[in-house]
Amino acid sequence: DVKVTQSSRYLVKRTGEKVFLECVQDMDHENMFWYRQDPGLGLRLIYFSYDVKMKEKGDIPEGYSVSREKKERFSLILESASTNQTSMYLCASSPSGNEKLFFGSGTQLSVL
Amino acid sequence: DAKTTQPTSMDCAEGRAANLPCNHSTISGNEYVYWYRQIHSQGPQYIIHGLKNNETNEMASLIITEDRKSSTLILPHATLRDTAVYYCIARNTGGFKTIFGAGTRLFVKA
Repeated sequence: DVKVTQSSRYLVKRTGEKVFLECVQDMDHENMFWYRQDPGLGLRLIYFSYDVKMKEKGDIPEGYSVSREKKERFSLILESASTNQTSMYLCASSPSGNEKLFFGSGTQLSVL
Repeated sequence: DAKTTQPTSMDCAEGRAANLPCNHSTISGNEYVYWYRQIHSQGPQYIIHGLKNNETNEMASLIITEDRKSSTLILPHATLRDTAVYYCIARNTGGFKTIFGAGTRLFVKA
């Protein structure tokens, strides 16, 4: 089975801190994604990557950046965390040419 | 991708079949119907997908109407662990964006 692992299940950070959320997948998938999920707003795509060092903005990229230096790892970076970035962050991966997504368990980030 | 419409919530008795409907009246010929579910505090989990034929796997069955304007996800013998939010998505091949709507919150009751 595909495994998508997110480094932290819960994270508490202070306003202004730089935050790194890490995601690793073990099935050699080309595509990786970062979503955030908020009550009433559903899942929204932040960034995605279709290859190493390649990245594309999703629907809500403001305040975020990403890094994909290795195929299996996709990092989401909050340069200066703000309280409105308190959310559940979900990482997903999919093979090239396949729209089936495999999700991690999520990281609940609280910014105080 | 076509818009999908699902009921907000549904109940089902444990051991009975759960039939979750989805309307996708504007679906185009090359859009697949995907179903995912999300158990509380976990990431969404892929269930099944289809284009026009009915599909079955170890988790569920997917029935797509002949005109493809609607579909039904069937969990044949629902258990308490099937309580979750179920998302129906119409998805074009190619591209990278999968749009999740609000889904149907299924409550399986003992």
